[in-house]
Amino acid sequence: QSALTQPPSASGSPGQSVTISCTGTSSDVGGYNYVSWYQQHPGKAPKLMIYEVSKRPSGVPDRFSGSKSGNTASLTVSGLQAEDEADYYCSSYAGSNNFEVVFGGGTKLTVL
Amino acid sequence: EVQLVESGGGLVQPGGSLRLSCAASGFTVSSNYMSWVRQAPGKGLEWVSVIYSGGSTYYADSVKGRFTISRDNSKNTLYLQMNSLRAEDTAVYYCAVFDHYYYYMDVWGKGTTVTVSS
Repeated sequence: QSALTQPPSASGSPGQSVTISCTGTSSDVGGYNYVSWYQQHPGKAPKLMIYEVSKRPSGVPDRFSGSKSGNTASLTVSGLQAEDEADYYCSSYAGSNNFEVVFGGGTKLTVL
Repeated sequence: EVQLVESGGGLVQPGGSLRLSCAASGFTVSSNYMSWVRQAPGKGLEWVSVIYSGGSTYYADSVKGRFTISRDNSKNTLYLQMNSLRAEDTAVYYCAVFDHYYYYMDVWGKGTTVTVSS
């Protein structure tokens, strides 16, 4: 069982927007602004899409955005494109007394 | 170009050992925080271990006492020594560069597969 809770699936049509949630606790998501999101296509390595809740690395389209409210973080993909179909994982720092990073169980995003 | 290449995966019996390697190019391993993350078949990502640039190491509870992360500065390579392997350690193991300011992994290798089975 993953430390962070994500819906197993999400979907949208091309051009639409989809939001994926990531729920943790005050010990992880709610306690730090260290939430990141990763995209993973089948058989490929994860790719960083969002860090520090809402920042995009160079090269990531601005269609991807992140936010956080309380213990829940969210990833929004706007203007859905076929290549956005992938698994998405959230992650958060969770170690106050010891180092720990936790992931969500992943959300399969389907572009209809 | 910054690149990570994992190797050393394979089939091992329960209770056995394996050492994974992660060769880096385009940057210096010892100057960065480095991490291992694994993914069991059909499952999500699981953080395994991290080594700080200063040498401190941390482990997930699931591998503590069995796995050891280390690096060879002369070879610019990261390692993961895995002992007392269990079936539940079966996974693709990725090494990654870990940003210690904002706790994310921004460069990943392609992974190496470890299968623990008799």
